[in-house]
Amino acid sequence: SAVISQKPSRDICQRGTSLTIQCQVDSQVTMMFWYRQQPGQSLTLIATANQGSEATYESGFVIDKFPISRPNLTFSTLTVSNMSPEDSSIYLCSVSSAGRGSEAFFGQGTRLTVV
Amino acid sequence: AQSVAQPEDQVNVAEGNPLTVKCTYSVSGNPYLFWYVQYPNRGLQFLLKYITGDNLVKGSYGFEADFNKSHPSFHLKKPSALVSDSALYFCAVRDFVAMDTGRRALTFGSGTRLQVQP
Repeated sequence: SAVISQKPSRDICQRGTSLTIQCQVDSQVTMMFWYRQQPGQSLTLIATANQGSEATYESGFVIDKFPISRPNLTFSTLTVSNMSPEDSSIYLCSVSSAGRGSEAFFGQGTRLTVV
Repeated sequence: AQSVAQPEDQVNVAEGNPLTVKCTYSVSGNPYLFWYVQYPNRGLQFLLKYITGDNLVKGSYGFEADFNKSHPSFHLKKPSALVSDSALYFCAVRDFVAMDTGRRALTFGSGTRLQVQP
């Protein structure tokens, strides 16, 4: 299994500002993903973070709002830009190997509150 | 397209009784199915998965799950519930066909809150 460190664990931000969330994995992994979870609700995939190239975004999520970097196989960042209260959520980093049956592992999440 | 449904928002069970958390799925090809548990203010923890082979899959903390292809389902079970099992449970699917189009991420169900009463 992979150990994932996600920072910050929580933050309270002013509307209109941006927050960058970091995800560090203790081993090289092929696949990295960013999810959003409203408290007590399901996970929605934001994007797949691709090493050395632009992330692949899901419908409803755009790069200008959620820029993602992945400079190497163990690290990725997600920025939530120009925040509004609707962005208040839990953001989760997830990793898995390339194998079709590989389970995914998750960071502890970042609880974001926008005021 | 791949999807997974958890028809129950909440399941209540008495400690010591068996528990079942339901999950149904829809995929284009062969499914890879997963169960995760989430405790308050924590990330998701992997419980078990079905890839191929025996339809009864055994996982962590005494949990098991039944894979049914004819009536597509992957229900999570435990013979004797503990109060400490109270948490949010998620079923997830990865579709063989979708993977060939580049989609490697899991698709999650809506989650089921399990409440085990002492």
